Amino acid sequence: DTGVSQDPRHKITKRGQNVTFRCDPISEHNRLYWYRQTLGQGPEFLTYFQNEAQLEKSRLLSDRFSAERPKGSFSTLEIQRTEQGDSAMYLCASSRQDRPYNSPLHFGNGTRLTVT
Amino acid sequence: DQQVKQNSPSLSVQEGRISILNCDYTNSMFDYFLWYKKYPAEGPTFLISISSIKDKNEDGRFTVFLNKSAKHLSLHIVPSQPGDSAVYFCAASVGSSNTGKLIFGQGTTLQVKP
Repeated sequence: DTGVSQDPRHKITKRGQNVTFRCDPISEHNRLYWYRQTLGQGPEFLTYFQNEAQLEKSRLLSDRFSAERPKGSFSTLEIQRTEQGDSAMYLCASSRQDRPYNSPLHFGNGTRLTVT
Repeated sequence: DQQVKQNSPSLSVQEGRISILNCDYTNSMFDYFLWYKKYPAEGPTFLISISSIKDKNEDGRFTVFLNKSAKHLSLHIVPSQPGDSAVYFCAASVGSSNTGKLIFGQGTTLQVKP
């Protein structure tokens, strides 16, 4: 179990640029989640996948955000035309669902985005 | 609309004593609750959980209590250790099959003094 891996750890970009983050979940986990955390707040749900299917998107996920999980393994989160309000920690998590209750989420260490 | 609230931003306790972290929720549909611990520069780590059909769950030094009528849960750490110093988040979800979509509180920073 190598854990959930996120890349990059830090990203600084100028307003208006596009950015893409990658998440590699724990290999046997079939669910993958994206959360966003701002200073002083808990993580907020953005979206999740079961295998390659994106099953739910939060209202927080504007049209500038898109997430993919093309082969049911790693996932990417892209933000187009970044705004200063997008500055946050973006957390990826994965879990295995094979019982009535999911296994708890295992989080990666996050990608910290700073938009200048 | 904060559905899960941790009203104490910080807590300081002496090593060996009990730490009690509190969490309140407003959505009566929540049926699964979790506590996560977060160290700086790391992602949250699962600590302990409880289903709404129970009122207590224990794992080593950690015990979670659920009071459904008061919509309140608490995490007890006994005895507290300096390594427990971290930010603690409570989280809740609706529906046992969708426990990955969590609503988190704002977090409480616990400091355990040697």
